[in-house]
Amino acid sequence: ILNVEQSPQSLHVQEGDSTNFTCSFPSSNFYALHWYRWETAKSPEALFVMTLNGDEKKKGRISATLNTKEGYSYLYIKGSQPEDSATYLCAFHAGTASKLTFGTGTRLQVTL
Amino acid sequence: GAVVSQHPSWVICKSGTSVKIECRSLDFQATTMFWYRQFPKQSLMLMATSNEGSKATYEQGVEKDKFLINHASLTLSTLTVTSAHPEDSSFYICSALQGLAAKNIQYFGAGTRLSVL
Repeated sequence: ILNVEQSPQSLHVQEGDSTNFTCSFPSSNFYALHWYRWETAKSPEALFVMTLNGDEKKKGRISATLNTKEGYSYLYIKGSQPEDSATYLCAFHAGTASKLTFGTGTRLQVTL
Repeated sequence: GAVVSQHPSWVICKSGTSVKIECRSLDFQATTMFWYRQFPKQSLMLMATSNEGSKATYEQGVEKDKFLINHASLTLSTLTVTSAHPEDSSFYICSALQGLAAKNIQYFGAGTRLSVL
């Protein structure tokens, strides 16, 4: 059983704050690490697919880094806005199989 | 692009009845779809991988006779919960695989909340 952990479980920040959360995953048999954003009552939306150690991806105010040797990825949100409120999921893609193993997510709430 | 539609979004049924959940890729063809289940405060747990034109591959511990999966076309997979019981009450969500194997992005439906009385 693959162990994918996310921390913190939940986070409450004010508008304008910058924040970050962590995804840890097995450091062996790595293929890719996915980040998803999941708003309540909507479909999870793919944010990033990261494959290379040291990779850094950016989409607007959101960015992510990847360390495959130590098995962690950080997601950063700069200047949080209320519309950033969602659950952020990471998913580990091992080896050549197509299936993903998900973490439990970090629930972010941004208030005015 | 890459929209996945899942229906129904919410269903209540009596114990012993069967419930069918549909997962459609609206603007792309998906040879592979996935079905997940989520219990409260837990992660998405993969139940099975659905391949168009062939039998689904079930994860360990998932009863294939209980959770019937059919993937008869490149845009539709269905999950039927047979003889549902209260312990089957959960959140079920599907995804469809699109594009390059290297990116392997799964596009998700919005999920189905099943309540069995």
